[in-house]
Amino acid sequence: NAGVTQTPKFRILKIGQSMTLQCAQDMNHNYMYWYRQDPGMGLKLIYYSVGAGITDKGEVPNGYNVSRSTTEDFPLRLELAAPSQTSVYFCASGRDVLEQYFGPGTRLTVT
Amino acid sequence: DQQVKQNSPSLSVQEGRISILNCDYTNSMFDYFLWYKKYPAEGPTFLISISSIKDKNEDGRFTVFLNKSAKHLSLHIVPSQPGDSAVYFCAASAHSGYALNFGKGTSLLVTP
Repeated sequence: NAGVTQTPKFRILKIGQSMTLQCAQDMNHNYMYWYRQDPGMGLKLIYYSVGAGITDKGEVPNGYNVSRSTTEDFPLRLELAAPSQTSVYFCASGRDVLEQYFGPGTRLTVT
Repeated sequence: DQQVKQNSPSLSVQEGRISILNCDYTNSMFDYFLWYKKYPAEGPTFLISISSIKDKNEDGRFTVFLNKSAKHLSLHIVPSQPGDSAVYFCAASAHSGYALNFGKGTSLLVTP
């Protein structure tokens, strides 16, 4: 099992560019999450999904979009990147909210 | 509004001694608490959890204590080992909630 995989590991974006952060899991989990972690801060929830076709906003959704067309994949889309979106992004999956397995993260810098 | 607080950004402990990491919460609806461990350049990994119906849960060298009246929990690591050096996140969940609320983390350094 690969668990939760995230691509890319690192990315530098220019202000105004767009990109998609990929997340995939092979554990057949219904719940999937996107978090961001800013330096010295805890993880903040961006979006979550409780199953294919179902997504909802978390604490900090502005500037992001998600889709969940399959159980395995949960991509995060950044439109019009801004310096405030410089962060480390973690994807997680689990059978329920109390069980979350995290990917290794994507470090994004917007300049 | 930070509902889960870890007021100590860092902690340094000698190998073999006890490490005590603290966490406070403000939301009385939280009924399940978890500790995650994170190494640099990796995602957090689950360490130990406790339900609000208990006041203690133990797993090997790791014990979590919950004081509901004080809205406080702590993670004890005995004995501490250099491999325990990592950032520890406290997280909490409310019944029927959809997400975990994370603290800012405490960076633990265990020195030989």
